[in-house]
Amino acid sequence: AQSVTQLDSHVSVSEGTPVLLRCNYSSSYSPSLFWYVQHPNKGLQLLLKYTSAATLVKGINGFEAEFKKSETSFHLTKPSAHMSDAAEYFCVVSGESNDYKLSFGAGTTVTVRA
Amino acid sequence: DAMVIQNPRYQVTQFGKPVTLSCSQTLNHNVMYWYQQKSSQAPKLLFHYYDKDFNNEADTPDNFQSRRPNTSFCFLDIRSPGLGDAAMYLCATAGGASGPPAYNEQFFGPGTRLTVL
Repeated sequence: AQSVTQLDSHVSVSEGTPVLLRCNYSSSYSPSLFWYVQHPNKGLQLLLKYTSAATLVKGINGFEAEFKKSETSFHLTKPSAHMSDAAEYFCVVSGESNDYKLSFGAGTTVTVRA
Repeated sequence: DAMVIQNPRYQVTQFGKPVTLSCSQTLNHNVMYWYQQKSSQAPKLLFHYYDKDFNNEADTPDNFQSRRPNTSFCFLDIRSPGLGDAAMYLCATAGGASGPPAYNEQFFGPGTRLTVL
């Protein structure tokens, strides 16, 4: 079975500084990996996804993530944080190739200081 | 724009009074999901439909039921809500047209916030 560990439950950054959200996964096959963002009282929005193509994935709003198989990691980064980046972020791994389910990490809360 | 719509956005019900939450989609996706999300937690899958095939998670309480009358609509019925059922309920869809199911992102609706008094 697959699983996801988000290494930080809470990250606080100053506006204009880099953001790093760490995610490690466990899987017995080649997974697909996703980062979703959730603003308060809203649904989840896809930031980016890795599906066995390029290991460096660019997403929306300036976010990117790098898939490192040797480290079983899929960390999310952004060079310069904006106030609107304050939200909850979930790292997610897909199920088996014929499975329709996702496994969620516990989430990382990002706060951005002015 | 293609999207996932949930109604209502906020629902208040009384302890033990049945409630139905609605989800509709214009994406023509064949898979629809219902998640429960409690405060400061990740979403928890309750069940999903692949076309008309219903798939219940093993730990989903019998109090929760679902209906999918057609491709576009899916309903979540809570037969006797308890205080512990207060949560955000998220509907999501996924399509199989772009490769194996595991490659497919899930598209989420805005959620329904359920309050139980």
